[in-house]
Amino acid sequence: QKEVEQNSGPLSVPEGAIASLNCTYSDRGSQSFFWYRQYSGKSPELIMFIYSNGDKEDGRFTAQLNKASQYVSLLIRDSQPSDSATYLCAVNRYFNAGKSTFGDGTTLTVKP
Amino acid sequence: DVKVTQSSRYLVKRTGEKVFLECVQDMDHENMFWYRQDPGLGLRLIYFSYDVKMKEKGDIPEGYSVSREKKERFSLILESASTNQTSMYLCASSFGQGREFFGPGTRLTVL
Repeated sequence: QKEVEQNSGPLSVPEGAIASLNCTYSDRGSQSFFWYRQYSGKSPELIMFIYSNGDKEDGRFTAQLNKASQYVSLLIRDSQPSDSATYLCAVNRYFNAGKSTFGDGTTLTVKP
Repeated sequence: DVKVTQSSRYLVKRTGEKVFLECVQDMDHENMFWYRQDPGLGLRLIYFSYDVKMKEKGDIPEGYSVSREKKERFSLILESASTNQTSMYLCASSFGQGREFFGPGTRLTVL
């Protein structure tokens, strides 16, 4: 079992819909959780991070964390074609140090 | 804004050559990382460094070494390049709380 697993995708949604990206992790001691966006041919870019159970909203993006279920998700509301990218989930055992473990990513396509 | 730069965007080397990939960050970050990214294999950590002259092996360190003589600079060395090291190499840095900032990447081809 991989340490961080994401839906393999690809995920396709129509413009304006909600895109839901899911991630599960195996290390119960994980403390910090990240979502990166990677456009084709570009490097990953951090878009969201969450440390506590519950929801964290930033514009059209909402990260949801459930430590008991070892589950973190990213919701993108009012999806736009510019959201088409691969989304990487990353999990870190610490709050302020060390290395993160990345999932393989889910590729999202938003169709106009 | 955090800036992470890598010495080359594209690099072509021959089998057996010694290859140096350089990464520089301008935000005084403690942690620096080298990854490689291959289709179907995701992002794999080669080495990371949490301080000057300190390093720790990642998931795939074989065939690679690193050097961090100054806080802002982290170098990846391929001692004897092989064709299976053809890949996209990504450098990243982070301050506390694990948020990583990536450089633009170096696409290395080993012939």
